[in-house]
Amino acid sequence: EAGVTQFPSHSVIEKGQTVTLRCDPISGHDNLYWYRRVMGKEIKFLLHFVKESKQDESGMPNNRFLAERTGGTYSTLKVQPAELEDSGVYFCASSQVQRRYTDTQYFGPGTRLTVL
Amino acid sequence: ELKVEQNPLFLSMQEGKNYTIYCNYSTTSDRLYWYRQDPGKSLESLFVLLSNGAVKQEGRLMASLDTKARLSTLHITAAVHDLSATYFCAVYLYGGATNKLIFGTGTLLAVQP
Repeated sequence: EAGVTQFPSHSVIEKGQTVTLRCDPISGHDNLYWYRRVMGKEIKFLLHFVKESKQDESGMPNNRFLAERTGGTYSTLKVQPAELEDSGVYFCASSQVQRRYTDTQYFGPGTRLTVL
Repeated sequence: ELKVEQNPLFLSMQEGKNYTIYCNYSTTSDRLYWYRQDPGKSLESLFVLLSNGAVKQEGRLMASLDTKARLSTLHITAAVHDLSATYFCAVYLYGGATNKLIFGTGTLLAVQP
């Protein structure tokens, strides 16, 4: 079974440009999460989809970030316009169901974003 | 706001030695994870601890949970080079619209021959 995949693995852009990150969850997983790790700091929650609906977007830094999950399958995270502080590693995770005691989130390898 | 503090941030140890990574968190939770990340790879779930006093072991790694002290430990026994990686603890927040992991800063473990 394929794991969570993310594309691209690396992206280098200039301040002010737009970047779109993509995440393909494990097939059949209704829950999809985005997290971000800024250099040297903890991994922080950005948002959570259940199927195509945003369940919790409390971690989104500002309105330059837009996440979508069309049809409840893959998800995209767009940053427009990118700022220097957006640099970091963006992780996607998915889980099958939202059970309190048995739900495990499976992570992708991350997209390393560098804004110059 | 839930905070998760992990220490040390960096750990260099010799093969064959023992050491412990600590994870303190600031509010109640009924689930705690330990993840491992190799450079450029996904976070791999090592352990999930569900209750007070839970202890789980896999090879040279043993994780424990004390919910009263809000403390989890990851103990490394007789370290080998293959254990070199970054280790994260993560506390699970669940309730209402909330369903997410709160991570510690990670511990970069380097095992020297």
